[in-house]
Amino acid sequence: DSGVTQTPKHLITATGQRVTLRCSPRSGDLSVYWYQQSLDQGLQFLIHYYNGEERAKGNILERFSAQQFPDLHSELNLSSLELGDSALYFCASSVETRVIYEQYFGPGTRLTVT
Amino acid sequence: AQSVTQLDSQVPVFEEAPVELRCNYSSSVSVYLFWYVQYPNQGLQLLLKYLSGSTLVKGINGFEAEFNKSQTSFHLRKPSVHISDTAEYFCAVSDRTGGSYIPTFGRGTSLIVHP
Repeated sequence: DSGVTQTPKHLITATGQRVTLRCSPRSGDLSVYWYQQSLDQGLQFLIHYYNGEERAKGNILERFSAQQFPDLHSELNLSSLELGDSALYFCASSVETRVIYEQYFGPGTRLTVT
Repeated sequence: AQSVTQLDSQVPVFEEAPVELRCNYSSSVSVYLFWYVQYPNQGLQLLLKYLSGSTLVKGINGFEAEFNKSQTSFHLRKPSVHISDTAEYFCAVSDRTGGSYIPTFGRGTSLIVHP
């Protein structure tokens, strides 16, 4: 158990819908990272937040957005869903941004778009 | 930009045999290198990392990796594998992007340990 929690574990929804994925980092961790894992693209970095502020963006679509709240939990919002958005979405947390601090991954949310 | 190539998508091996999972990277700047393991239905877990110093890095579960700058490689090795090592292994490289270190992951190597 990494200490990072993600809800829900599974999500099935239809094309065109909007969903919200939630991540609670390990106690004391200020950084939250979101990743998408799919068979087509492998593991792709989406976005990084540190203490409520966006720090880096990766291959995140405009239909996707995220935020980190004052209690440090984070939400990833996916809208106008397409079949290709079906994937495992992971969040990871770390104490801060420097690479010497390990990223701890949550168990993931499996999103299926039908 | 950086990229990672894991040369084998699948590596079958018998229990107690040695194994090497290969990883090559390309980058125009100094890099940091990582190996992660993903067990079925779980998130990724860090096995080991190279930041600086000794090129031989020891990690958890008896794994080690060697950083070879001239060959731009970071191969993962274990002298004797167990059934429980069956998992997906990801090599990753990172440099500084926008104030944080964001790793670029390889496509993964599936290690399958047979009894």
